[in-house]
Amino acid sequence: KNQVEQSPQSLIILEGKNCTLQCNYTVSPFSNLRWYKQDTGRGPVSLTIMTFSENTKSNGRYTATLDADTKQSSLHITASQLSDSASYICVVKRGATNKLIFGTGTLLAVQP
Amino acid sequence: DGGITQSPKYLFRKEGQNVTLSCEQNLNHDAMYWYRQDPGQGLRLIYYSQIVNDFQKGDIAEGYSVSREKKESFPLTVTSAQKNPTAFYLCASSIEGRNTEAFFGQGTRLTVV
Repeated sequence: KNQVEQSPQSLIILEGKNCTLQCNYTVSPFSNLRWYKQDTGRGPVSLTIMTFSENTKSNGRYTATLDADTKQSSLHITASQLSDSASYICVVKRGATNKLIFGTGTLLAVQP
Repeated sequence: DGGITQSPKYLFRKEGQNVTLSCEQNLNHDAMYWYRQDPGQGLRLIYYSQIVNDFQKGDIAEGYSVSREKKESFPLTVTSAQKNPTAFYLCASSIEGRNTEAFFGQGTRLTVV
């Protein structure tokens, strides 16, 4: 079954600290993997898109990694800020279709 | 400004009534999508359209209908046949292609009262 699982479900960290969010997927065939940030009550905003051949991709303080062999991805946030408080959603695009498979997200709260 | 706009932001509907959610984009994207988001679940695809005058059912199309008469517009109607319509609805658009980004609107929160 084509699924995307994220962990942890929720996370609380102090401002300035780093954190890493995990994503495991069973989607096949694989096309690409995306990380989105979704503020409460808003639409998701893309952070990164990674293809099969890419291991690491950065966007400012956000760094995503992809291990296509183990079907795992992580999103590392460096020097967290209060504005990083949001839900982070891992999305895998299934090859040969336009279908995006969404994880349930990790809810991150950054406290002062 | 270029972007994708959903309206209204909040919508209340009485049971048994149909309601239409608006989605407009000026990004010149061919593909448009409607998703439903419920607490504790990933986004689920309702309908998608890859070209004007054509659309396909997603995973949870029952109780919903769409039209794509113009490239810029992809309205979603939630009919009275939808058993549990209270949810957050998200519209998205993208250029056709494997690694293109999907842009989302700000969402419409529908509540059935």
